[in-house]
Amino acid sequence: GENVEQHPSTLSVQEGDSAVIKCTYSDSASNYFPWYKQELGKRPQLIIDIRSNVGEKKDQRIAVTLNKTAKHFSLHITETQPEDSAVYFCAASRGSSASKIIFGSGTRLSIRP
Amino acid sequence: EAGVAQSPRYKIIEKRQSVAFWCNPISGHATLYWYQQILGQGPKLLIQFQNNGVVDDSQLPKDRFSAERLKGVDSTLKIQPAKLEDSAVYLCASSFKSDSYEQYFGPGTRLTVT
Repeated sequence: GENVEQHPSTLSVQEGDSAVIKCTYSDSASNYFPWYKQELGKRPQLIIDIRSNVGEKKDQRIAVTLNKTAKHFSLHITETQPEDSAVYFCAASRGSSASKIIFGSGTRLSIRP
Repeated sequence: EAGVAQSPRYKIIEKRQSVAFWCNPISGHATLYWYQQILGQGPKLLIQFQNNGVVDDSQLPKDRFSAERLKGVDSTLKIQPAKLEDSAVYLCASSFKSDSYEQYFGPGTRLTVT
């Protein structure tokens, strides 16, 4: 079945440094790749997404890259801040509201002051 | 706009008991999802509705879990009887039917089975 693998499971970076989280997916028909941020005890919230017709998307300090050939995509956070500490989930979907989204297992990001 | 509402927020039951969760999606959202999130893991889809029809329930343990979305708006998820391994946060999410793919999550219900 469809699968999304995410790594690392935990990541600790110095404040101001960059953080990179990587995911691979198995379903070659996937064409929508969202990233969710989940703070402790709170609901997941979408922070950025990318569709397969583009290779990169950026929103302020957050960027996502997609390599469809290799079936992997990555989240890049630059100039990390304490409020970036959270669990981040990647996901993959075939990209319609009737398509299920498969989530990765999550990366716990800690920002060291 | 109002977000996805869920109740209760917390529930503690003993194994073999029954429990039900309620979800009210964002107004106008045709698609509704129930996820199970075990501590330290990503959300796992249990069931997905498009209006009041089931789109996917391949990962729903149908011997003990059931869900319905009467009238295509609110939804309930039931577990009967509960097992210890059902302890998790149950998240409801909704999205528009059109070309917007973003899912909006509710606050979740934290279930503890003792």
